[in-house]
Amino acid sequence: DSGVTQTPKHLITATGQRVTLRCSPRSGDLSVYWYQQSLDQGLQFLIQYYNGEERAKGNILERFSAQQFPDLHSELNLSSLELGDSALYFCASSTSDTQYFGPGTRLTVL
Amino acid sequence: AQKVTQAQTEISVVEKEDVTLDCVYETRDTTYYLFWYKQPPSGELVFLIRRNSFDEQNEISGRYSWNFQKSTSSFNFTITASQVVDSAVYFCALSEAKGGTGNQFYFGTGTSLTVIP
Repeated sequence: DSGVTQTPKHLITATGQRVTLRCSPRSGDLSVYWYQQSLDQGLQFLIQYYNGEERAKGNILERFSAQQFPDLHSELNLSSLELGDSALYFCASSTSDTQYFGPGTRLTVL
Repeated sequence: AQKVTQAQTEISVVEKEDVTLDCVYETRDTTYYLFWYKQPPSGELVFLIRRNSFDEQNEISGRYSWNFQKSTSSFNFTITASQVVDSAVYFCALSEAKGGTGNQFYFGTGTSLTVIP
């Protein structure tokens, strides 16, 4: 158990819809990272937050947004969903440069 | 161009054989970090090792060892006396510091290792 929690574990929705994925980091970790893992794109870094502020941005679509709240939990919002957004979304947290991953949220867009 | 290249897509070995997973990276930064992660069939990502760009010492942890060579931009991972439980997809990753506390991460495409009993 990495200490990082993600909810929900599974999410099934339809194209055009909007969903929110939640991540609670390990106690004391200030950084939260979001990743997307799909069969065709592999593991892709989306975005990093540190103590509530955006710190680094990867291949995150404009339809996606994220935020980190004062209690350090983070949410990833995915809107106008497309079939290609079906993937496993991981959250990771860290204080140093070592990341610990949550179990992931499997999103299926029908 | 790929920042992290794992040329071996799939490897199969018989139990107790040694196996090396290759990782080649590309960066212009002088300060960076390299990682290996394991993703077993259950799907979670498990951290194995972090190495910073200033530390080229090889590391050994039990049956696992890592060889970092800046001259060839490689960070290879060897499993000695492989076991069935080592069957997983292994990812190599590169982290580039982006100022302050920002880090940009790049993952390789992974190497799927199957250990045959």
